[in-house]
Amino acid sequence: DSGVTQTPKHLITATGQRVTLRCSPRSGDLSVYWYQQSLDQGLQFLIQYYNGEERAKGNILERFSAQQFPDLHSELNLSSLELGDSALYFCASSVSAATNYGYTFGSGTRLTVV
Amino acid sequence: SQELEQSPQSLIVQEGKNLTINCTSSKTLYGLYWYKQKYGEGLIFLMMLQKGGEEKSHEKITAKLDEKKQQSSLHITASQPSHAGIYLCGADPTGNTPLVFGKGTRLSVIA
Repeated sequence: DSGVTQTPKHLITATGQRVTLRCSPRSGDLSVYWYQQSLDQGLQFLIQYYNGEERAKGNILERFSAQQFPDLHSELNLSSLELGDSALYFCASSVSAATNYGYTFGSGTRLTVV
Repeated sequence: SQELEQSPQSLIVQEGKNLTINCTSSKTLYGLYWYKQKYGEGLIFLMMLQKGGEEKSHEKITAKLDEKKQQSSLHITASQPSHAGIYLCGADPTGNTPLVFGKGTRLSVIA
């Protein structure tokens, strides 16, 4: 157990629907990162939050949004889902906003859009 | 933008053999991170390299960062089935930005 908890582990939903992925960072970590992993694109950075504030944005679609709550857990919202959104979504956390100490990854949420 | 190229894309080795995985960047790396992923699971942190010429070892895995800080190698000695998985290198493009990752090297170890 890495200390980063992601729920649910698996999600199957239909095109056009909306889902929410949840992440609880490791105790003491203030930064949360969301990544999408697909076979063709590899691991792509989506967005980072640090202590409740958006810190950095990557290749995140406008249909996707995220937030970090006061208790530091984070949620990634995916709407108007398309078949191409099927992927593994990872959350990672780190103690600071910088990457000096590396990230701790959760076990991921596998999203299948049918 | 920073791109990391990993080679080979996949590797099949016989148990007990040594192997090397490479990670190359077109730009200077401010930090290089190696992770291992078991198929369909999360990433496990292996090692972090920051200084040119740095070398770190953990059990049978050794990682090196070249002097120019643009290439890293991961060497596994006497491979075992437990080494099987996907190895990903990640790098910090500017010294203070989220990690970007290579596409990974898929390692299979056969008896």
